[in-house]
Amino acid sequence: DGGITQSPKYLFRKEGQNVTLSCEQNLNHDAMYWYRQDPGQGLRLIYYSQIVNDFQKGDIAEGYSVSREKKESFPLTVTSAQKNPTAFYLCASKPLADSNEKLFFGSGTQLSVL
Amino acid sequence: KQEVTQIPAALSVPEGENLVLNCSFTDSAIYNLQWFRQDPGKGLTSLLLIQSSQREQTSGRLNASLDKSSGRSTLYIAASQPGDSATYLCAAWMDSSYKLIFGSGTRLLVRP
Repeated sequence: DGGITQSPKYLFRKEGQNVTLSCEQNLNHDAMYWYRQDPGQGLRLIYYSQIVNDFQKGDIAEGYSVSREKKESFPLTVTSAQKNPTAFYLCASKPLADSNEKLFFGSGTQLSVL
Repeated sequence: KQEVTQIPAALSVPEGENLVLNCSFTDSAIYNLQWFRQDPGKGLTSLLLIQSSQREQTSGRLNASLDKSSGRSTLYIAASQPGDSATYLCAAWMDSSYKLIFGSGTRLLVRP
């Protein structure tokens, strides 16, 4: 089945620790995105990548980092500089960044602070 | 600055009722508009995508309309079922390719 796989489903972070959220897609999509969702709020864009080896900051990039070394993979690292990391993190993709096509989402990772 | 608003935040209806969810946006220069469904603790499932040149899209019991001039989109759900219970989010794509602005969603409960 084609789709977007996020892992782990639940993740706990200790204070001062960096953690990495995995996002893998087998849809052959060029564009990939990371969003953060807080309870009762809409999604906010953290980082996006239009093509391999390229990525851009979104609206709330501070305290996060990404890489895009392979087309199918777009991992997100939540660094210790992110002081309020507890949230639901969603990865998404679409065929081309500037295409008029639907955005597809993974099933999300819930990150909590210990 | 584009803002997307969804009202009401929550809605409870009896099974079988037809209902309308509302989405409004402040900047009419949108590229297209997408409706999503989200079940608790899950990712988003795309329901309908309306391009800026279109006025509506239909899929099964769902119909979404777009009126750019008034800054509104509606999602119509016919003959609602308990399985329709979820949060429904609308999102506006702006002219720049990456900029998708989300509303905060309407939480729908369909009572048996």
